[in-house]
Amino acid sequence: GAGVSQTPSNKVTEKGKYVELRCDPISGHTALYWYRQSLGQGPEFLIYFQGTGAADDSGLPNDRFFAVRPEGSVSTLKIQRTERGDSAVYLCASSSRGGTEAFFGQGTRLTVV
Amino acid sequence: AQSVTQLDSQVPVFEEAPVELRCNYSSSVSVYLFWYVQYPNQGLQLLLKYLSGSTLVKGINGFEAEFNKSQTSFHLRKPSVHISDTAEYFCAVTANNDMRFGAGTRLTVKP
Repeated sequence: GAGVSQTPSNKVTEKGKYVELRCDPISGHTALYWYRQSLGQGPEFLIYFQGTGAADDSGLPNDRFFAVRPEGSVSTLKIQRTERGDSAVYLCASSSRGGTEAFFGQGTRLTVV
Repeated sequence: AQSVTQLDSQVPVFEEAPVELRCNYSSSVSVYLFWYVQYPNQGLQLLLKYLSGSTLVKGINGFEAEFNKSQTSFHLRKPSVHISDTAEYFCAVTANNDMRFGAGTRLTVKP
């Protein structure tokens, strides 16, 4: 497709379980971002990739959160030992090198019960 | 890293009234500035952006914003709002390809 694709669109998991959220950026986009949006809040920066490497991971809240982008395209956000406070919409965006606009996916709504 | 402050968390206005949503940013390097809109249960949609040049930028749905470098502001305006403008509005700043968002302003347009 032409846009940023995130799967799954919804994920319900039990507290303590491991989850993976996937992001397919726009083809050719070198920059990829993950954000977390809690109810009534703005998107909170988690991590930013330029190519395969994490250019800035200062937004990851703790060591339960990890993200990879091994081939510089698809990215996976991994959350270990999920907690109820991790419930949020996880947004992914991508932009081209030198691009001026980030394009967002529809997000993955994660609910930890 | 750069940061964004949206000064109003909620703005209620009557239909056909003018509105201004305020945004201030901080950054040690030059930035690009954006406004996004999010309708209920929908994704983020770009309203407008400032990259360079004219400080007054026009976007979709009749919105415009003015970049003020000395005041580090990028306020969003619309001269006459509609019920359909009810949504959450986010200001964002990008520096070196790194984008950060404000907490959002909920605009509620009342009949």
